[in-house]
Amino acid sequence: AQKITQTQPGMFVQEKEAVTLDCTYDTSDPSYGLFWYKQPSSGEMIFLIYQGSYDQQNATEGRYSLNFQKARKSANLVISASQLGDSAMYFCAMREGRRDDMRFGAGTRLTVKP
Amino acid sequence: ETGVTQSPTHLIKTRGQQVTLRCSSQSGHNTVSWYQQALGQGPQFIFQYYREEENGRGNFPPRFSGLQFPNYSSELNVNALELDDSALYLCASSLVGGAHNEQFFGPGTRLTVL
Repeated sequence: AQKITQTQPGMFVQEKEAVTLDCTYDTSDPSYGLFWYKQPSSGEMIFLIYQGSYDQQNATEGRYSLNFQKARKSANLVISASQLGDSAMYFCAMREGRRDDMRFGAGTRLTVKP
Repeated sequence: ETGVTQSPTHLIKTRGQQVTLRCSSQSGHNTVSWYQQALGQGPQFIFQYYREEENGRGNFPPRFSGLQFPNYSSELNVNALELDDSALYLCASSLVGGAHNEQFFGPGTRLTVL
């Protein structure tokens, strides 16, 4: 079964507007961490933001914020004031409990239009 | 940049050959994880090394093997290459006990098997 689901293969946003990238997850472990990574065409995965399952507040890092809805098991990434350089693949990932591995979704390709 | 380096950047091999990919972890990090990312998919966990021992393994056959050295650098070896092994191989380093155990990725090695 898919642990991480990203239902938007591709998204377009106008420069300077906000965009939300969806992510839902499936786990029975009460302790887990959720991560978002950006992957430009160069291939390197760039860590953006983290949300722990016990965190009371939604995570924010600069223009990135995470809309964490625990009961719905969703962890959507919000990018405010989009820039052309935000065009890339975005991956949602989860680490459960004490597991060593991270499970990634299939990704969303974001294109920022000038 | 994360400080994680990988070599080579690109590699072309033929079926049945063997390949070794290398990774230098970020300074201070003691754990290295390897991922395989097929075209159009999210990364899949291969295995993780901590203190020179394999510390977890994904659903990959034994012909995928690895090493970690005292300086925490790592190698991924793949024997008897198959066409489906063509992918981007990502190395990620992390610090056990770090803030979120987030993994910092290198630029990847793109392997093509003909």
